[in-house]
Amino acid sequence: EVQLLESGGGLVQPGGSLRLSCAASGFIFDNYAMGWVRQAPGKGLEYISLITERGADTFYADSVKGRFTISRDNYNNVVHLQLNSLRADDTAIYYCARDRRPLYSHGEFDWWGLGALVIVSS
Amino acid sequence: QSALTQPPSASGSPGQSVTISCTGTSSDIGAYDHVSWYQQYPGKAPKSIIYEVEKRPSGVPDRFSGSKSGNTASLTVSGLQADDEADYYCSSFAGNYRVFFGGGTKLTVL
Repeated sequence: EVQLLESGGGLVQPGGSLRLSCAASGFIFDNYAMGWVRQAPGKGLEYISLITERGADTFYADSVKGRFTISRDNYNNVVHLQLNSLRADDTAIYYCARDRRPLYSHGEFDWWGLGALVIVSS
Repeated sequence: QSALTQPPSASGSPGQSVTISCTGTSSDIGAYDHVSWYQQYPGKAPKSIIYEVEKRPSGVPDRFSGSKSGNTASLTVSGLQADDEADYYCSSFAGNYRVFFGGGTKLTVL
């Protein structure tokens, strides 16, 4: 069965950095694009980043562009999200998600991790 | 980047049908048949219940159905049950790896 497990969340001061990881199993990892979607407390879902199967293409929402970096390690089946210059409004649960179609990313996510909580506060 | 527009709340009695709308533009919903709907219970991760406008993943009851007309997508939940009470989010592909989510609709089963 497909499993996605995020790690690396925690409490960080404004301006600080964190690295989130998402360990994947149960599928051919390098056939699928992977995305990150976050949810601020009591708010809706916000799509923030995606990386294609081999890492050739990446996407960032305007809200995180220039501060966050997505990467993947297809040997170890892990996708990372480096969060820099963190602000209070980055406080959210960060979900890792698999794009549904292999080799054909259209931003529809079929499997989601349990999420990693990031709190940005002094 | 703009979010899709959903009503903040919807409700219905057990056994009834409820339809939740999701309005976008000719650059997202109107342009692509890559509209998804997600169900989310409090404190849980979202779950895919509709993809490519009207397709249901394995295991999702056929009480859930999706459709699209122009720039508006819809999710219909028929034969409402107590455990349908959750938040529902729509999303649409918008080209160049962009994806927009709706603001979410809280479905209450009366």
